[in-house]
Formats: sequence, C-alpha cells, structure tokens
Amino acid sequence: QVQLVESGGGVVQPGGSLRLSCAASGFNLSTHGMHWVRQAPGKGLEWVAVIWYDGSNQNYADSVKGRLTVSRDKSKNTLFLQMNRLRVEDTAVYYCAREHYTGTYWYYDLWGRGTLVTVSS
Amino acid sequence: EIVLTQSPDFQSVTPKEKVTITCRASQSIGSSLHWYQQKPDQSPKLLIKYASQSISGVPSRFSGSGSGTDFTLTINSLEAEDAAAYYCHQTGTLPHTFGQGTKLEIK
Repeated sequence: QVQLVESGGGVVQPGGSLRLSCAASGFNLSTHGMHWVRQAPGKGLEWVAVIWYDGSNQNYADSVKGRLTVSRDKSKNTLFLQMNRLRVEDTAVYYCAREHYTGTYWYYDLWGRGTLVTVSS
Repeated sequence: EIVLTQSPDFQSVTPKEKVTITCRASQSIGSSLHWYQQKPDQSPKLLIKYASQSISGVPSRFSGSGSGTDFTLTINSLEAEDAAAYYCHQTGTLPHTFGQGTKLEIK
C-alpha cells in the first residue's frame, strides 16, 4: 500500500528539540522530492522544507531556516525533520508530502496524516 | 516569495449553489497552481492540478481555470459533503506557498 506515516510529535519546551519521521511504504523515497508542510491549530497550510529526490539539496522556509533540517535514510525509506531551538510558533501538525514531477510541473500527490508538535512551557 | 491571496475567506452557501473561489498570485506562476480540499482532522486532498487538470476520483462538479496570476476553483451544484476549507498552492517557485484558505459552510 502506497502511504506516508508521520511519527515523533509530542510536547516540548521552548528551546527544545524533536525529530519527526515520515515512513514511506509502497514506493521508493529516493525517486521523489519530499516536502514538509505544517498547519498551526485553526490556521492555514505553511510550506516548511523540501529535500531533492537525490538528496543533493534542501530548501527551507525563512521562518525555520537554521533551526529545522530535513534529511532521509534510504535504507529505512524514511524522511526526517530535525527540529532544534523550537519556538511556541512552531506548534502545528506537521505533514510530509510526496512530490510528483510530470516533466512540466510539480505537484504533491501523496500526503501523510500528520503528527502534532506542541511547543509549550 | 510568491504570495497567494484567496477570496473570499469564508462563504456560507446552500446545496446546489454554484461556488467560485479565486486565487491571485503576486507574480506569474504559469499554470503551476493546484487546489486542495481539507476537512477537519484530515490531510489536504488534491482536487485540481496544474490550474485545470482533473484528478481521478474527484467529482466532476469541481473544476479549475486560469493562468499567470489569476485562478479560479468552481464547484457546480454544491453538495453537503463539500463543507471544508479550500487552499490554492503554487509550485512554480520555491518556497512553495499556499493561499490563506477559504472556508465553505453549508447552510
């Protein structure tokens, strides 16, 4: 079954760290660019980060640059988001999403169900 | 960063009405604009890709149009199950960005 399953969310204090995982099944992560998107409670969607299909590059939203790092483990077919120096405003449901490239444009064709990160003292 | 501005933010509609949601980009993105539906406690669901291309399994009452900076999502003959938030999303340039969302309430 083709799916993405996020895990690793929880409650953490401001300034703390957390590592999110996104386990892929039914397809090879290495053939797709992979994104993280977040949604604060009651708010809209915010793009967070991308890792290229071959892992050669990453790109981040300005709001997380220098604090969040996206990576992947090919052997585990899993995507990660290392979150350091967390802030209250990082509180959100974090989704991983698979990118599909048609040769002309990209779109996100598969999403996980999300994992909730709460940053609070 | 490309800013996407949706209109309206909220709309209350009756079943069988026709609904139009617009999305304006701060600069041209060609047709790299996609539409999602999101219901409470669910992941976003892709409705339309590349401005106007339909998605398998999505009801035909959902359609999209536009290019450049102005885009439209149209829902013909609204059904009760269409109560949700709708987001436009551009993948023409990093950072990929989303519109602020349009919440549809069914009367």
